[in-house]
Amino acid sequence: DAKTTQPNSMESNEEEPVHLPCNHSTISGTDYIHWYRQLPSQGPEYVIHGLTSNVNNRMASLAIAEDRKSSTLILHRATLRDAAVYYCILRKGYGGSQGNLIFGKGTKLSVKP
Amino acid sequence: DSGVTQTPKHLITATGQRVTLRCSPRSGDLSVYWYQQSLDQGLQFLIQYYNGEERAKGNILERFSAQQFPDLHSELNLSSLELGDSALYFCASSVLAGGSSSYNEQFFGPGTRLTVL
Repeated sequence: DAKTTQPNSMESNEEEPVHLPCNHSTISGTDYIHWYRQLPSQGPEYVIHGLTSNVNNRMASLAIAEDRKSSTLILHRATLRDAAVYYCILRKGYGGSQGNLIFGKGTKLSVKP
Repeated sequence: DSGVTQTPKHLITATGQRVTLRCSPRSGDLSVYWYQQSLDQGLQFLIQYYNGEERAKGNILERFSAQQFPDLHSELNLSSLELGDSALYFCASSVLAGGSSSYNEQFFGPGTRLTVL
């Protein structure tokens, strides 16, 4: 399975944008880029996913490099509630592929008031 | 609230004992996954069931087993417990079995914290 590399930790100020990077230089053509986050004392939750084009949803935006070897999760205005560990995960997008998630160490985001 | 329920929330037991963790998936989800989260190993996939059948296995010890029942709830059985089995155990569910159709979001339960003394 292709691996992802993320910084161990990042800090942000409340109400400022946050850009969380992820490198996945060995990504294959069938890999989708998924982001999950884990708030303190909770189970992980889905944030966003994409294949080639940039994606937006109510939680965040995902910017994918043209060569797909890196991506950036963008939180437009960080709140204290966004303090969490963010995981960048690659998943095969074809039928019959394994559905389980392979978690790395993720990026621990701290948000300062 | 993800819609996935796990019981119990906390479990304290002794080495050598056996415990059962229970998970009820979201309504309509056919796939159930079990993950273990410990401080040194992080979040690790254990096993997946889809519509009652074992679908995929990860780093699950032989002392651990799981099953999914006809009503789609799942149980994870941990036996001959060791101190190192102390961890958070998460259950997740999704509609589909695989990572297909580009979208198979997993919904995680709140976890069961197991402490082995």
